[in-house]
Amino acid sequence: DAGVIQSPRHEVTEMGQEVTLRCKPISGHNSLFWYRQTMMRGLELLIYFNNNVPIDDSGMPEDRFSAKMPNASFSTLKIQPSEPRDSAVYFCASSLRTGRKIEAFFGQGTRLTVV
Amino acid sequence: AQSVTQLGSHVSVSEGALVLLRCNYSSSVPPYLFWYVQYPNQGLQLLLKYTSAATLVKGINGFEAEFKKSETSFHLTKPSAHMSDAAEYFCAVSGNNDYKLSFGAGTTVTVRA
Repeated sequence: DAGVIQSPRHEVTEMGQEVTLRCKPISGHNSLFWYRQTMMRGLELLIYFNNNVPIDDSGMPEDRFSAKMPNASFSTLKIQPSEPRDSAVYFCASSLRTGRKIEAFFGQGTRLTVV
Repeated sequence: AQSVTQLGSHVSVSEGALVLLRCNYSSSVPPYLFWYVQYPNQGLQLLLKYTSAATLVKGINGFEAEFKKSETSFHLTKPSAHMSDAAEYFCAVSGNNDYKLSFGAGTTVTVRA
């Protein structure tokens, strides 16, 4: 498997524009997580899905942020409208839990710059 | 809810010295525990994980961690630091009854020649 795939790797956009980040989890994994990493706040969990259903979105900072997982192989994180303070690295991770077995892997991240 | 606390945001060690990174968890039931490493401008890479099997877990790059229920700890160690170990290390927890994966604040390791 190619691992968790995120796109784009880098995104530069102007304030007010819509930004969509994409994630393809590892095939067969049943949970998906979106994180945001900044120098000031560290690694923050934004939202996570289990079997394509959003379980906890309490980390989503504002209504400008939304996430979807239409199927087991794809998820998006959308920011509309974007603001300079949204600049960060956004990571997607997927995991599989079966019985006592668990694995969780991260994508390489999307570095978002909002100017 | 499960959480982890990493003690010490920065650790500096000499090359060849012991690396010890501290992580304490908060959970009423022993959870799943992980250590990840992040090199500059890269994603997070799994070093090792605890899933209630052996309490001493060996990972990649010579790292190991010991689960101690009495101390609610999962400290990461490496007997001899190498320059390539300079990175940020994150402890993470996931509960038995939920799928949330939560991270500590991270510890940055610098290795002195």
